[in-house]
Amino acid sequence: TQLLEQSPQFLSIQEGENLTVYCNSSSVFSSLQWYRQEPGEGPVLLVTVVTGGEVKKLKRLTFQFGDARKDSSLHITAAQPGDTGLYLCAGASSNTGKLIFGQGTTLQVKP
Amino acid sequence: KAGVTQTPRYLIKTRGQQVTLSCSPISGHRSVSWYQQTPGQGLQFLFEYFSETQRNKGNFPGRFSGRQFSNSRSEMNVSTLELGDSALYLCASSLEDRATEAFFGQGTRLTVV
Repeated sequence: TQLLEQSPQFLSIQEGENLTVYCNSSSVFSSLQWYRQEPGEGPVLLVTVVTGGEVKKLKRLTFQFGDARKDSSLHITAAQPGDTGLYLCAGASSNTGKLIFGQGTTLQVKP
Repeated sequence: KAGVTQTPRYLIKTRGQQVTLSCSPISGHRSVSWYQQTPGQGLQFLFEYFSETQRNKGNFPGRFSGRQFSNSRSEMNVSTLELGDSALYLCASSLEDRATEAFFGQGTRLTVV
């Protein structure tokens, strides 16, 4: 069974701080996606990483795909209250045709 | 380009009733997946449809069923509702049948009383 473990599960920080969320698996994925979800809404796709070692930047967010395509990280610089939400990673398996989701990281950024 | 549309947004049902939720995918997308999201369990995969065929199924009882129409719109049905079925039900559409980028609707919040 393919699993994606996200850490930490909960994170509460002050505005202006930096943070990193990790997404780890023992399985190889053909691609990995990061989503952000606000309460009562559906997840919104932030980025897709495909190549091992790939780094993508979205304003203050930096996403990295591990060299072996088994893990990924999301780094937020100078967090703002608007970054508050649930962050989900999802690995795409070309073998099973499934999208495997991590349990999510709940981020709270206090002003 | 319109996004994924789920209806209704909110629903309150009584135990034992049945419910049907609807999802219209992004135009041109042929794959539709359904997920159940609860605070304790996170996102749980229900099933995936591609070209009117169920391609993958999660570990849910037979009370949960779905279908996809020729225009790619999908419905999911839950019969004999239980209190534990209260959740946010999310639909996601993808361009192809294999695991690719998924775009989610806003979800249907189902409350069973």
